[in-house]
Amino acid sequence: DGGITQSPKYLFRKEGQNVTLSCEQNLNHDAMYWYRQDPGQGLRLIYYSQIVNDFQKGDIAEGYSVSREKKESFPLTVTSAQKNPTAFYLCASSTERDRQYLNTEAFFGQGTRLTVV
Amino acid sequence: GNSVTQMEGPVTLSEEAFLTINCTYTATGYPSLFWYVQYPGEGLQLLLKATKADDKGSNKGFEATYRKETTSFHLEKGSVQVSDSAVYFCALSDLGVISGKLTFGQGTILTVHP
Repeated sequence: DGGITQSPKYLFRKEGQNVTLSCEQNLNHDAMYWYRQDPGQGLRLIYYSQIVNDFQKGDIAEGYSVSREKKESFPLTVTSAQKNPTAFYLCASSTERDRQYLNTEAFFGQGTRLTVV
Repeated sequence: GNSVTQMEGPVTLSEEAFLTINCTYTATGYPSLFWYVQYPGEGLQLLLKATKADDKGSNKGFEATYRKETTSFHLEKGSVQVSDSAVYFCALSDLGVISGKLTFGQGTILTVHP
């Protein structure tokens, strides 16, 4: 079955440590995204990538880094510079929009819950 | 910039009650509009979508109509079930090629009691 796999589901990090969240997709989608979810705030975009070896900052990129070395993979690193990293992180992917604006759906993974201890 | 405002929750209903969750948006041009649902501890699933004015998205008994004149995309269901208990997010996708670059509302928690 095609889909998006995030791992691990739960992650604990000590203050001052970097940690990397995995996201893999087998949907053959060109674009991938990372969102952060905090209680009562909806989702906010951290980074996105339209193509391999290229990525763009979203609304809350500070303290995060990404890479896109393969089409299938878009790992997110939460660095020690992120002041409040405890949150639920969601990865998503999508195709590019066609001329009739079809295929505008983003598919989401099951999420990784990161807790700083 | 783009923004989405959802009806504040939580919303608590009895089974078979009518559901409305209000959603209004601010955007330039003609964005695509979505409702996503999130069950406890899981990621988001697309519930329905509409890509142009007056389109009606529907799925699993839920409906929403893209109203350009009122910049709204309210979610409705005629008879809710306990299994509909979840968090519902309204979202828009702005113009351009990047269809997964979404602006979300804050989410509305729905609890349905037997």
